[in-house]
Amino acid sequence: DAGVTQSPTHLIKTRGQQVTLRCSPKSGHDTVSWYQQALGQGPQFIFQYYEEEERQRGNFPDRFSGHQFPNYSSELNVNALLLGDSALYLCASSLFLRPVGKNIQYFGAGTRLSVL
Amino acid sequence: DAKTTQPPSMDCAEGRAANLPCNHSTISGNEYVYWYRQIHSQGPQYIIHGLKNNETNEMASLIITEDRKSSTLILPHATLRDTAVYYCIVRVASGGSNYKLTFGKGTLLTVNP
Repeated sequence: DAGVTQSPTHLIKTRGQQVTLRCSPKSGHDTVSWYQQALGQGPQFIFQYYEEEERQRGNFPDRFSGHQFPNYSSELNVNALLLGDSALYLCASSLFLRPVGKNIQYFGAGTRLSVL
Repeated sequence: DAKTTQPPSMDCAEGRAANLPCNHSTISGNEYVYWYRQIHSQGPQYIIHGLKNNETNEMASLIITEDRKSSTLILPHATLRDTAVYYCIVRVASGGSNYKLTFGKGTLLTVNP
């Protein structure tokens, strides 16, 4: 059973460029959440997608956008990259209609983005 | 979601039990306590969660105090591979998957030989 997979594992971009990160959820999962983790900090919630719609969003600017495909995979896009966008980007998947108390988000290994 | 407080770091000898505390004094009756850990540069790994009762799985045990204001994650026989940052997270037990996890800085557990 494949877990959550993310690609690429590492990426180097320059300021002002745009980047797309990809996530395939765990088999059977239909919901994808994205998190940003700066060095030395805990992950911060960016947004969540279910049924191809953004369901919830954290405190991130509009430069951060996403998409979910019919097969439940997801992309995170960041435009006009800033040096401060350098971070580990994590994807987590879960099953939307899981009963309360049995709802667990499983994380991928992340994409390490460096902005120069 | 309620705020959690964890010690920034702890040490444990290999083979001994590791007891990681978490304070969540403002927790509400419908909020679960979740524990994740993150080994260096990897994604967070789910460990265990609970609402009121103590919980145990193949990885760890979770002890929640009767007033639910604090909890302890217990790794019964710590190994070097358990060295990681451990996050205690409280979240509302809303229906479905429409929730976010709010991470703090966690506790860096170092297991020593």
